[in-house]
Amino acid sequence: GAVVSQHPSWVICKSGTSVKIECRSLDFQATTMFWYRQFPKQSLMLMATSNEGSKATYEQGVEKDKFLINHASLTLSTLTVTSAHPEDSSFYICSASSRGQPQHFGDGTRLSIL
Amino acid sequence: AQSVTQLGSHVSVSEGALVLLRCNYSSSVPPYLFWYVQYPNQGLQLLLKYTSAATLVKGINGFEAEFKKSETSFHLTKPSAHMSDAAEYFCAVSDGGDSSYKLIFGSGTRLLVRP
Repeated sequence: GAVVSQHPSWVICKSGTSVKIECRSLDFQATTMFWYRQFPKQSLMLMATSNEGSKATYEQGVEKDKFLINHASLTLSTLTVTSAHPEDSSFYICSASSRGQPQHFGDGTRLSIL
Repeated sequence: AQSVTQLGSHVSVSEGALVLLRCNYSSSVPPYLFWYVQYPNQGLQLLLKYTSAATLVKGINGFEAEFKKSETSFHLTKPSAHMSDAAEYFCAVSDGGDSSYKLIFGSGTRLLVRP
């Protein structure tokens, strides 16, 4: 089946630093990638949708200057959390899909800001 | 607008018993419906999907779900629970006329399997 790789799986960093998370579709070309945030014991909250070669579409309430998304190729999207603070600590999950196919999810990145 | 309601944040069954996880949806267009499973500290794995073909959908690991338009339901079942089925299960509806559109997730149901 389709494989989506997310890296890193776990990151701990100091407050004020920026963190980049990568999402790669390993065996298919992903025309669309999605970024979700999941709080403990809660459902997934969609942060943004990105299409290859175009600007990401952010959901209401998500700061686009805080969460920078780049989808430069059909197999790679990145999420950069800029000037991270403890309230940004969360589990971030990406997914990838191509036209007419369901989303396939990465294994998530647990971000802890000290 | 689409929405999904999962009844029961926790469901507990004995090993070997029937598993029934409930999902009701609201959609202004013919829906695409999905069930995903999430194990601790992992992403989501697709169990099965409904895309307007057969109303009874069979998925992986012995799970199946039946689309009932009259009841706006898409409940997930498995005849006999296994310890390895313990996980979080999410029902989702696609916000568009294509299964690749963004998903609207339910709040999730945690399945506990007692030995």
